[in-house]
Amino acid sequence: GAVVSQHPSRVICKSGTSVKIECRSLDFQATTMFWYRQFPKQSLMLMATSNEGSKATYEQGVEKDKFLINHASLTLSTLTVTSAHPEDSSFYICSAPGQVYEQYFGPGTRLTVT
Amino acid sequence: QKEVEQDPGPLSVPEGAIVSLNCTYSNSAFQYFMWYRQYSRKGPELLMYTYSSGNKEDGRFTAQVDKSSKYISLFIRDSQPSDSATYLCAMSETSYDKVIFGPGTSLSVIP
Repeated sequence: GAVVSQHPSRVICKSGTSVKIECRSLDFQATTMFWYRQFPKQSLMLMATSNEGSKATYEQGVEKDKFLINHASLTLSTLTVTSAHPEDSSFYICSAPGQVYEQYFGPGTRLTVT
Repeated sequence: QKEVEQDPGPLSVPEGAIVSLNCTYSNSAFQYFMWYRQYSRKGPELLMYTYSSGNKEDGRFTAQVDKSSKYISLFIRDSQPSDSATYLCAMSETSYDKVIFGPGTSLSVIP
C-alpha cells in the first residue's frame, strides 16, 4: 500500500527556535497533503491543507505565520514551526489521499519544546 | 455543538466481549466514514471505511452508517487484548477532502 513518511520522528528544541518537519509520499504523488496536530489524550485536529504549487489553507485559529507550510513538489510537504514555544509541543501528523479513497497517514513527529 | 461527537470512554471489557463504539455528527454533507485505530504514540491506522449508508464487515470488525440519524458504529467481535487502543471515527465530504476526526474512545480489553 501507499506509504507516507515523516522526518524526524522525534525532535526536541529550545524555546524560540524553529523546527522543520517533512512529509513525503513515497510511492505516489500527492497534490494535497493535510497536517494535523494531536495533544495528549486528544484527537487529531486539522491544522492546514497543503497544496502543491499554491498557498496552504489554514483552519480557523491556526496562525499561518507561525506554522509555515511549503508543498514544493508532488511528493513533499514541509511544516515549519517558527519561534517554537512549550505550548507547541505536540504530535504532528501528515496525511495524503491515495488514488482510491483512503487517507494515508504518516507515522507522526513528536515535538518537544523546552 | 462539535462537528463529530464520540464517547471518550475509557471503555474496559473482558476478552471475548463484543465492543460497540459510536459516533454522531452534524454535517449532512459527510459521505465517507472511517474508523481508525491508534496505539499510544503512533499514527492512526485505517480499520474500516464506508461510503454513504450501510454496513461493512471485515473479519471481527463491522462498521455501520446511518446517514438519516447521522450515526455511525463500529462493532468488534471476540475482542482481544491486542485490540486495546484508541478508536477514532472520522469522516469527510469527498474522497480527497480533509478528514474530520471524533475525539476518540479509549478501549481496554482485559485478558
